[in-house]
Amino acid sequence: AQTVTQSQPEMSVQEAETVTLSCTYDTSESDYYLFWYKQPPSRQMILVIRQEAYKQQNATENRFSVNFQKAAKSFSLKISDSQLGDAAMYFCAYRSVFGNEKLTFGTGTRLTIIP
Amino acid sequence: DSGVTQTPKHLITATGQRVTLRCSPRSGDLSVYWYQQSLDQGLQFLIQYYNGEERAKGNILERFSAQQFPDLHSELNLSSLELGDSALYFCASGRTSGSPSTDTQYFGPGTRLTVL
Repeated sequence: AQTVTQSQPEMSVQEAETVTLSCTYDTSESDYYLFWYKQPPSRQMILVIRQEAYKQQNATENRFSVNFQKAAKSFSLKISDSQLGDAAMYFCAYRSVFGNEKLTFGTGTRLTIIP
Repeated sequence: DSGVTQTPKHLITATGQRVTLRCSPRSGDLSVYWYQQSLDQGLQFLIQYYNGEERAKGNILERFSAQQFPDLHSELNLSSLELGDSALYFCASGRTSGSPSTDTQYFGPGTRLTVL
C-alpha cells in the first residue's frame, strides 16, 4: 500500500517570501500521479498543482512549483512571493495510474503567512 | 468553485440516527469519490462510483453505503450513527475516461456532520 508523509505539521513564512513544504511517499509503482491540495479556513479542497511521475520536468502553476525527485520519492511544494491568501492547510496526495484511483493523503502542513 | 455540489452543508443529528449526504458531480464527470476527513483519521477514501457502478472501496464502514443514480448524482447513506462518525464528508468527481485514467479529482465544499 502507498503511504504519504508530511513531516512538517506547521510552517510559517513572511509575506512576499518563499517557503517550501515537504512531502515524501512510499510506493512500488513506477507510474503514478502526485498532487498538492490547499484547504483554506473555508474547508474547501482546492487543487494547487499536479505532477505525473513519468514526466521529469517539474510542474509549475504561477507562484507554485514542485521539486519532484522520483528516486528519492520526494515531492516538495515551493510557494514564491507568499501572499496572505496562501494561508491554509496543504495536503500532498498520491494516486495510482492503474487500478484504484483513490487519493492517498498525507497528514497536512498548516501554513501561516506573517504580514 | 469546483463545479461539484454537496448538500447539506451542515448536518446535526443524534446517535443511532440515519442521514443521507448528496453530491452532484461536475458536468461531464462520470466518477464520484467519497472521502471522510476527521481529526483522528485525517482524509480517508471511502468509496468510488463510476457511471452508476461501484468501482472501488476504501475504509468504508458496513453502516455506510452509497449509490450513484442515472443522472450521475450520488448519495452517501450513514446509519446507526456514532459520535465518532462526526467528520467532514467530501465528494469529488472526475472523468475517468478509461485505463489508464488521467483525470484529476475536483472536490465539493463538503458536508459537516455532527453527531451528538
